This record gives sequence, C-alpha cells and structure tokens, in this order.
Amino acid sequence: KQEVTQIPAALSVPEGENLVLNCSFTDSAIYNLQWFRQDPGKGLTSLLLIQSSQREQTSGRLNASLDKSSGRSTLYIAASQPGDSATYLCAVGTIGAGSYQLTFGKGTKLSVIP
Amino acid sequence: DTGVSQDPRHKITKRGQNVTFRCDPISEHNRLYWYRQTLGQGPEFLTYFQNEAQLEKSRLLSDRFSAERPKGSFSTLEIQRTEQGDSAMYLCASSQFSQQETQYFGPGTRLLVL
Repeated sequence: KQEVTQIPAALSVPEGENLVLNCSFTDSAIYNLQWFRQDPGKGLTSLLLIQSSQREQTSGRLNASLDKSSGRSTLYIAASQPGDSATYLCAVGTIGAGSYQLTFGKGTKLSVIP
Repeated sequence: DTGVSQDPRHKITKRGQNVTFRCDPISEHNRLYWYRQTLGQGPEFLTYFQNEAQLEKSRLLSDRFSAERPKGSFSTLEIQRTEQGDSAMYLCASSQFSQQETQYFGPGTRLLVL
C-alpha cells in the first residue's frame, strides 16, 4: 500500500524567504506526482504535475522535483509572499487494475509572515 | 465552463438521516472521483467513475455509501443512516483521460452530523 509522508507538518517563514517542502512515498512504482494547494475550508488547486519519467517541473516561483528511485519529491517556493499561506498537499498517482488513483499526504501548513 | 462545482457547500444533519451530494464535473471530462477529507488529513479516495461506469470503490466506502453517475455527466454521493464519524469534507474531482491525468477539484461539501 502506498504511503505518503510530508515534512514538516507546519512551517512559518518571513516574507521573501525561499523555502522547501518535502514529500516522501513508500512505493516507487508511481505514474505521476502532483502538488496541490488548499486554502482553509476550500477545495484543492493543482500547482504542478510531474510524470514519472520527469525530474522536475516549474511554474513561476514554484519548482517541483522528483526522485522516483529514492521515493522523494520537493516543492521549492522562491521569494515567498503572504498570499502563499495555505496547506500544500503532495499526491502520488498510481495505476492499478486499469484505474488511476491519488494517494495524498497530510500536507504542510505554510504561514508567510509579512 | 468555470470548473468543478459541488452542491450543497455545507450540510448539517442529525445522526440517522440520509444525505445526498451532487458534483458537476468539467463538461468534457470523462473521469470523476470522490474523496473524503477529515480535519488535518489529506483527502482519501472513495470511488471513481469513467463515464457512467463505477470502476473502483475504496474499502472506506461502506454499504451505507452509494455513488452514481447515470449519464456520465454529474454524479451523486448518498450516505444513508449518517453517523457522527461521517462528518468530513467530501471532495469531487474530474479529469480527462490523457497521459497527464491532472485532476481538477471542486470546492467540496462540508458535512456535519450531529
């Protein structure tokens, strides 16, 4: 069974700082990996998707890397802003019996202090 | 099309009552997913449809839960004889079959069982 762990559970940084969020997974036989953002009481917004054959993806100030063999992914946020405050969720996509399924970590709650 | 919509956004019910939630996916998406998220946890997979066919159900989906997608468009999730442990956010997501498999999430329905 795939298990996804995110460290740290919570992080508080001053505005402007660069930061890294970590995600690890137990089964390296993945199809892809997604990073999501969730604001309090809201649904999830997809930030980046990395296919299993890729090493990284970039979108604006966000960069996600994937090391499938070691079961790790990182989300790098450059020049953090108060608007980045949210919970960031890592989700591993796997295919079994013809269906696709996402397994989520518990998330990292980020607070960016002005 | 503005994205995945869910109705209602909030539901308060008494233990033992039945509730039904609706999800309208992005119109061209043929895959639809239901997830449950409790406080401080990541979303957990419940069930998955491709068009009108329900292809996978999690063991989390007890016999009190039933989901339908009758015409391959909107979907409903019904919980019968609700229990306090059913209190959670119920999230719906949709995707278009492709190599990317990016899932787009709705805002969720927050259920509170008293």
